[in-house]
Amino acid sequence: DAGVIQSPRHEVTEMGQEVTLRCKPISGHNSLFWYRQTMMRGLELLIYFNNNVPIDDSGMPEDRFSAKMPNASFSTLKIQPSEPRDSAVYFCASSSTLWGFVVGGRDYGYTFGSGTRLTVV
Amino acid sequence: KQEVTQIPAALSVPEGENLVLNCSFTDSAIYNLQWFRQDPGKGLTSLLLIQSSQREQTSGRLNASLDKSSGRSTLYIAASQPGDSATYLCAVGRNTGTASKLTFGTGTRLQVTL
Repeated sequence: DAGVIQSPRHEVTEMGQEVTLRCKPISGHNSLFWYRQTMMRGLELLIYFNNNVPIDDSGMPEDRFSAKMPNASFSTLKIQPSEPRDSAVYFCASSSTLWGFVVGGRDYGYTFGSGTRLTVV
Repeated sequence: KQEVTQIPAALSVPEGENLVLNCSFTDSAIYNLQWFRQDPGKGLTSLLLIQSSQREQTSGRLNASLDKSSGRSTLYIAASQPGDSATYLCAVGRNTGTASKLTFGTGTRLQVTL
């Protein structure tokens, strides 16, 4: 398995433009998480899905952010319109249980993608 | 609101030294605690997970301990190697009823020199 795949790796866009980040979770994983990492705030959970259904989006900063998971192998995080303060690294993570680990198994914990570095100028 | 603090923010040690990374959290009602490693430009790799009922977990040269009552966890790395150089993140999991929702610390950046 190639792991969690995110695209693009880097995105530079102008303020006001729409940005779409993409994530392909590990096949068979039924939970997907979107995180944002900045120097000031560290890693923050934005939203997570279970079986393609959004469970908790309380971490989404404002209405400019939206996320979808149309099927088990694809998710998007969209920012419209983008602002300079949205500049960050956005990570997608998946896991085989909602809890991020398999009880009794070694393969516990989340599997993270390599992230998308977003710069809004 | 859970707050997770990691000290020190950065650490440089010579190869072969044993070292301890610290993590503290303000709300002791946790579900679990995980230690992650992050390499530059990469995602996070899960190293160890400790359930709230456990006191420690070990994997190879790594040992993580948990003291819920005092709100502390430590990650012990034995016989450090240059390949251990990375940022180490502590994450505290809270039971929301539907998931283990992680709150991350800001990390300790470790450099192991030859």
